[in-house]
Order: sequence, then C-alpha cells, then structure tokens
Amino acid sequence: AQKITQTQPGMFVQEKEAVTLDCTYDTSDPSYGLFWYKQPSSGEMIFLIYQGSYDQQNATEGRYSLNFQKARKSANLVISASQLGDSAMYFCAMSRREGEKLTFGTGTRLTIIP
Amino acid sequence: EPEVTQTPSHQVTQMGQEVILRCVPISNHLYFYWYRQILGQKVEFLVSFYNNEISEKSEIFDDQFSVERPDGSNFTLKIRSTKLEDSAMYFCASNIAGSSGGAVSNEQFFGPGTRLTVL
Repeated sequence: AQKITQTQPGMFVQEKEAVTLDCTYDTSDPSYGLFWYKQPSSGEMIFLIYQGSYDQQNATEGRYSLNFQKARKSANLVISASQLGDSAMYFCAMSRREGEKLTFGTGTRLTIIP
Repeated sequence: EPEVTQTPSHQVTQMGQEVILRCVPISNHLYFYWYRQILGQKVEFLVSFYNNEISEKSEIFDDQFSVERPDGSNFTLKIRSTKLEDSAMYFCASNIAGSSGGAVSNEQFFGPGTRLTVL
C-alpha cells in the first residue's frame, strides 16, 4: 500500500520568500510517480509538477521545483519568490503505475503574507 | 487548451434520493477517475475506469455507487440512495497514459468538481 505524509498542516510565509512544503512517501513499488497539486479557495485541483521515480534530475516548472530524495523517500515542493496568489492548499500525491489512482496526503495550507 | 468539465457545479439533494454526477473527460484520454473530498479533508480515490470497465475501486465505492460511460464522451457517477455522509466535493479526472509502458509519466487532469450537499 502507498502512503503520503504531509506533516505541516499550515504555513505562513512572507511574500517574495522561498518556501518548502514537506512530503514523505512510503511504497514498496520500484516504479512510481510523485505529484503536487494546488487547491485554491475556489476548490479546483491544479497540477503543478511531476517527478518520476527513475528521473535522475529534480523536476522544475517555473517557480516550482521538486526536491526529490529517493533514499529518504521525500518529495518536497519548493516555491521560489512566493506571491500572494500562491496562498492555497497544496497536496502531495503518488501513483504506482501509468493510469493508476492517485493517493493524496492531507495537504498543507500555505498563506503568503504581504 | 482541453479540459475536463463537470456538471452540475453544485447539487443539493434529499437523503435517500439518487444523484448522477456528470463529467466529460479530455477526448483522447484513456483512463477516467472519480475522487471525493469531504470538506476540509484530503482527496480520496473512489474508482478508476479503463477500456469500458472498472479497473480499480476503493472500499468507499460500495454497492450504492456505479459508473458508466454511456456514449463515448460522458463519464457518470451515480449514487443510488444518498446518505448525509456522501456530502462532499466530487472530482472527475482523466489521464492519457499509455505512452511509456512503465513508470508513471502523465498528470491526471482534474475537472472543477461538483459539490454535493445531502440534506
């Protein structure tokens, strides 16, 4: 069974600072994918970034990067130069194989302070 | 840009009534999913659908739930007799998959959700 743990229920960060949202996972599968989604107060789920377990380099998408440490089973999301619009819930998720379900963590509510 | 659509955006129903939530996945996607999110909680998997049949379901997806792809474009979730605890946001998602044959390589695109309120 897969499990995602997000230990930070809430974080407050000053605008323009970088922020790291923690995510650890547990799986016995040799191949898996890790995802981060953003959920603003309007409720939709917005895909941010993906990391494959065999990818040699950490994934980056604009201001988002994924700090993937396979031996530690962690997949932390780093947001550089935070903006007010980054205030939202952030969910880490994983999937075992192509097409399979996503297993989500409990989320971190990020609040950016002006 | 193609997107997953869901209707209605909000459904209010009486306990014991049947509801059908509708989704139109992205047209060339092969895998379809339903998830739910009870207010303030994490997103939970309900069911996945591939090649016109259920590929996996969670323990939440009991006999009260069913899914259907009636016409090649719509993907529906039916709850036969709603309970108070079915009140949640229901998300449909789709995934193109099928391209790498091993490691997961594709995001799941989520629809905007249907908020179901059972009174």
